Amino acid sequence: DAGVIQSPRHEVTEMGQEVTLRCKPISGHNSLFWYRQTMMRGLELLIYFNNNVPIDDSGMPEDRFSAKMPNASFSTLKIQPSEPRDSAVYFCASSLYEGAETQYFGPGTRLLVL
Amino acid sequence: DQQVKQNSPSLSVQEGRISILNCDYTNSMFDYFLWYKKYPAEGPTFLISISSIKDKNEDGRFTVFLNKSAKHLSLHIVPSQPGDSAVYFCAARGNSGGSNYKLTFGKGTLLTVNP
Repeated sequence: DAGVIQSPRHEVTEMGQEVTLRCKPISGHNSLFWYRQTMMRGLELLIYFNNNVPIDDSGMPEDRFSAKMPNASFSTLKIQPSEPRDSAVYFCASSLYEGAETQYFGPGTRLLVL
Repeated sequence: DQQVKQNSPSLSVQEGRISILNCDYTNSMFDYFLWYKKYPAEGPTFLISISSIKDKNEDGRFTVFLNKSAKHLSLHIVPSQPGDSAVYFCAARGNSGGSNYKLTFGKGTLLTVNP
């Protein structure tokens, strides 16, 4: 079975542009997570979905960030407008159910905002 | 405020020797702890975990020790192999208030195993 799939793997954009990151969780997994990794803050949870419903978005830094999960096999994280401080690696992860022992991470999207 | 701390950003060991990676936490509500391993350009992968009802869990060359009174855990790799060179993240979660999904990560320790 394929793991978590993320696209694009790398994104370079200019400040003010809209950025959309995509994620396909592992089939059958009910929980989906978006994380951001930066040098300063490490790996931090942005938003958590369970059965396609956003449960916890307390980690979303500000209104410029939004996330959707229209179905069980697809999620997007959008930044509009993007700023240089959004430059980071964004990971999507999924787990079989809420509280499952293991979260499976995708390879990440490395975002650079100029 | 960091609730999970990995105070050593890097560690270098010789092949065949023991690697010990340390992690401290401050939140007494944490009751489940995990170690993830990350290679460059890949996502973190689950390595081993331990529940707060245990003080040791072993899986092959990897052993995690938990000292609840000290709020400290450690990962031992014996013997270390060059393929173990990676960043190791300590993570913790609680089980109260419906937050058993939420992992809090340390900033990671870069382990380099020299041949």
